[in-house]
Amino acid sequence: NAGVTQTPKFQVLKTGQSMTLQCAQDMNHNSMYWYRQDPGMGLRLIYYSASEGTTDKGEVPNGYNVSRLNKREFSLRLESAAPSQTSVYFCASSDWDSGTFGSGTRLTVV
Amino acid sequence: RKEVEQDPGPFNVPEGATVAFNCTYSNSASQSFFWYRQDCRKEPKLLMSVYSSGNEDGRFTAQLNRASQYISLLIRDSKLSDSATYLCVVKTNTGNQFYFGTGTSLTVIP
Repeated sequence: NAGVTQTPKFQVLKTGQSMTLQCAQDMNHNSMYWYRQDPGMGLRLIYYSASEGTTDKGEVPNGYNVSRLNKREFSLRLESAAPSQTSVYFCASSDWDSGTFGSGTRLTVV
Repeated sequence: RKEVEQDPGPFNVPEGATVAFNCTYSNSASQSFFWYRQDCRKEPKLLMSVYSSGNEDGRFTAQLNRASQYISLLIRDSKLSDSATYLCVVKTNTGNQFYFGTGTSLTVIP
């Protein structure tokens, strides 16, 4: 009953460093998403993948790239981290109805 | 204009009170509607889906008014454990995207 698994849970990066956030789901969902959550801003969509083999930009894609590796896995990459990317990142997956979220990654860029 | 707008609160209510949250959405083509609950420093979790006919789950009642593009959540007999942030969520069929309100904070006071 893992659902959506995100790694790592916490990360501190220096400005300019790169990293990849991993996400995997075991519910056979077609769609997967990456959100960031900042105080007072709510959840904002970074990128999503409606199905395996497709990815599309969301509301705030700048500074990020994604890979839908297979149906289970959807990774988010920061090529050159900036302090403005300090946030909590959530991965989610969905079928035709509601979505299920991972437990989040707390990222701090110093 | 935001896709989904909610009153951020906070709502501070005594135990046993009835409290109502409201939400409006801007895209008339939206197809699916949800309320999610988010506890502090945790991921959002589905509370209930919202149907045109209205639906009830124990102490929780959700209503949808498509003509006014308005969604509501009513919590009766509030418990301390209901303290959380409640997120209004709208899903479009285009790209299977979810749009989140910024959330309404509820604190139930003993």
